[in-house]
Amino acid sequence: GENVEQHPSTLSVQEGDSAVIKCTYSDSASNYFPWYKQELGKGPQLIIDIRSNVGEKKDQRIAVTLNKTAKHFSLHITETQPEDSAVYFCAASFTGNQFYFGTGTSLTVIP
Amino acid sequence: GAVVSQHPSWVICKSGTSVKIECRSLDFQATTMFWYRQFPKQSLMLMATSNEGSKATYEQGVEKDKFLINHASLTLSTLTVTSAHPEDSSFYICSARDGADTYGYTFGSGTRLTVV
Repeated sequence: GENVEQHPSTLSVQEGDSAVIKCTYSDSASNYFPWYKQELGKGPQLIIDIRSNVGEKKDQRIAVTLNKTAKHFSLHITETQPEDSAVYFCAASFTGNQFYFGTGTSLTVIP
Repeated sequence: GAVVSQHPSWVICKSGTSVKIECRSLDFQATTMFWYRQFPKQSLMLMATSNEGSKATYEQGVEKDKFLINHASLTLSTLTVTSAHPEDSSFYICSARDGADTYGYTFGSGTRLTVV
């Protein structure tokens, strides 16, 4: 089955700096890669996703890049704000079927 | 956007009793629903996948007789934790897949179960 690894497990940045979270996957058949933000005691919220037919996608301060050859994808958050503090999960899926989640990254933005 | 309502948000029950958690898709038909379990500071672990009108498919190691899943309609799935024990205490999260959108996958807000 698919195996998704995520790094780092914790990340602290100063407000206004950028944050980068990286994930690798093992199954070359995976073609959908969403990123979720989870706040304490709540369910995950989709923040951005990318499909395997593109290499990069951007939505305001958030961007995701995908390298299919190397089987890794990354989340980039620019101009971080305290409200960006949360746990972020990456996931890999084949056509929106079963999702395989990374182990999560706890991001802290220091004011 | 798509909304999935999960209820209750938290529940405390006595050991040996059963607890039912509901997951509803409010504005779309969910042909497939998924149930996850999440321990503190850990990732989401898929417990089972259910398709409307058919039996759920459980992941290896998940007791189907303990975690009963029903997906009787296109908008409702339930998870019943039977004869709950303290080790069943966890955060349970459902997600629903929009039948009209291959990538339409929305999570519920989760249920914190505490068994005392």
